[in-house]
Order: sequence, then C-alpha cells, then structure tokens
Amino acid sequence: GAVVSQHPSRVICKSGTSVKIECRSLDFQATTMFWYRQFPKKSLMLMATSNEGSKATYEQGVEKDKFLINHASLTLSTLTVTSAHPEDSSFYICSFQGGFDNEQFFGPGTRLTVL
Amino acid sequence: AQRVTQPEKLLSVFKGAPVELKCNYSYSGSPELFWYVQYSRQRLQLLLRHISRESIKGFTADLNKGETSFHLKKPFAQEEDSAMYYCALRSFQKLVFGTGTRLLVSP
Repeated sequence: GAVVSQHPSRVICKSGTSVKIECRSLDFQATTMFWYRQFPKKSLMLMATSNEGSKATYEQGVEKDKFLINHASLTLSTLTVTSAHPEDSSFYICSFQGGFDNEQFFGPGTRLTVL
Repeated sequence: AQRVTQPEKLLSVFKGAPVELKCNYSYSGSPELFWYVQYSRQRLQLLLRHISRESIKGFTADLNKGETSFHLKKPFAQEEDSAMYYCALRSFQKLVFGTGTRLLVSP
C-alpha cells in the first residue's frame, strides 16, 4: 500500500500556542485527503475533507477557524491547531485517498498534548 | 444517519479458537463496508472490504443486509492476530468508523 507520513509524531505545547502537523504522501499523488481525531479508547472521528487547491470541508461541530487545513499540493497537507487548549489534546490522523477503489491510506498519527 | 456499532470492546480468545468480531451498521442506501486493523504501534490499515469478498490472513466477512451486519470471522485465531479492529462504512467517500474491538489471542 501507499506510504503516508506525519510529522511530528508527538508534540507537547502550552495552552494558547499554535501547532502545525504535516501529512505527506511519499509515493503517490492524491487530490483528496482527510483529517481525523481520535480520543483515548474512542473511534476515529472525521474532522474534515480536503481537496487539493480548494478549501476544506469541515464536519459538523469542527471549528474551521481553530483547525486550519492547508492542502498545498497533491502530496502535502497540514493541520494547524490554533490557540490550542487542553481539550484539544488528542491523536490526530491523516489519510490520503487513492488507488482504483479510492482506498484511504493512513498516516501513523500525531499525539498532541496541550498543557 | 450512518452509524457503525461494534458491541465488544475486548475479545479475548486462545490460540486456535474461532473468532467473530461483531459489526452492525445503520445506513439508508447500499453500504460499502470495510474492516481495518491496527497492530500495536502501527498505523491503521485496510484488512478487507465487502465488495471484493476476499479472505485476508484467514479473515472473512460477509455482508448481511437483512441483519445489517458485517461480522469479521476467522476459524483459527493466531497470536499475531492480536490487534485493534475497526469496522467502517463508506458514504460519499467518507469513512464512518465503529468504536473498535481489541482482539487478544493468548497462547
């Protein structure tokens, strides 16, 4: 399957600061990608769908001004958590969509801890 | 609304025993269903999809529209099957995940 990387894998920040998470597709290009959030012992919840070159579509209840998504190219997307608060602490996972069946290929995730 | 339910948080079996991880869904249209697996410290990866009717690593899953179920089965569990398993439904390219079942296979 395709390889997707995320950076950083783990980040700790102070409340009120902003954090940027990068998601890269290493061996294929994709126009559509997704950002998920996973709380401990909970399922993955879709935050937003992003198409390269256009604005992201956010799921209900997800603040677009707080979670800024930039799908800069067919292999790179970033998620910026602005003015982070402790309740934003979570595991953030990205995926790129590709292949003949529009399969999603997932990154390894980024654990964000806001103090 | 689309919903995926996995009633078991943990399923613990001995090596060689049969395994069935339950998944029920709620969807108004014709569903596309998947099973994803996450091994310890690894990323989520696709295990199988209902449309291909394949068997991967000895696992199979049959879509039962009457019971709205897509249970994952394996006749003889192996220790390396220990992992987190997520059932998912695809709707308009978006995946809706269940809460996952942790499978623990003991020697």
